[in-house]
Amino acid sequence: KQEVTQIPAALSVPEGENLVLNCSFTDSAIYNLQWFRQDPGKGLTSLLLIQSSQREQTSGRLNASLDKSSGRSTLYIAASQPGDSATYLCGFRNQGGKLIFGQGTELSVKP
Amino acid sequence: EPEVTQTPSHQVTQMGQEVILRCVPISNHLYFYWYRQILGQKVEFLVSFYNNEISEKSEIFDDQFSVERPDGSNFTLKIRSTKLEDSAMYFCASIFDRATNEKLFFGSGTQLSVL
Repeated sequence: KQEVTQIPAALSVPEGENLVLNCSFTDSAIYNLQWFRQDPGKGLTSLLLIQSSQREQTSGRLNASLDKSSGRSTLYIAASQPGDSATYLCGFRNQGGKLIFGQGTELSVKP
Repeated sequence: EPEVTQTPSHQVTQMGQEVILRCVPISNHLYFYWYRQILGQKVEFLVSFYNNEISEKSEIFDDQFSVERPDGSNFTLKIRSTKLEDSAMYFCASIFDRATNEKLFFGSGTQLSVL
């Protein structure tokens, strides 16, 4: 059974810090991995998609990496801002097509 | 960017009532999914649907649940007799081809409250 784990469960940082969110998965037969942002009571906003053949993807201040051999992905956020405060979810997609989610990291960026 | 549309955004119902949650997937997509998220918990897979039939379902998706694509654009999730524990945010998602490396597109969700 595929499992996706995110560490830490919660993170509080002062504005301007660079930070790393971690995601690990148990199944190496990965198609791709998506990182999402979720604001309280809201839907899922897709941030980055990393294909199984890629090692990283960048969008603005966000950089996501993928290491299939170790079953890990990281989301790096540079120069964090209060507007980055949200829950960040990683989702692992296998050959069957469905996404399996981690429990999320709740990020709070203090001004 | 194309969007998956879900209606209503909020639904309040009495225990034992039937509810239908509606989704309009992206027009050329072929694979459709329902997920749910109970408050404070993980986003959980419910069911996937392709070519007018269920391709995979989770243990959560019992006989109380059904899905349908009644026409060329809508994709619905029906809960026959709602229970208190069905209260959750329900997300619809779609993708053109699950065998590719595309991303899954999600709707903004329907918050279901069962009283």
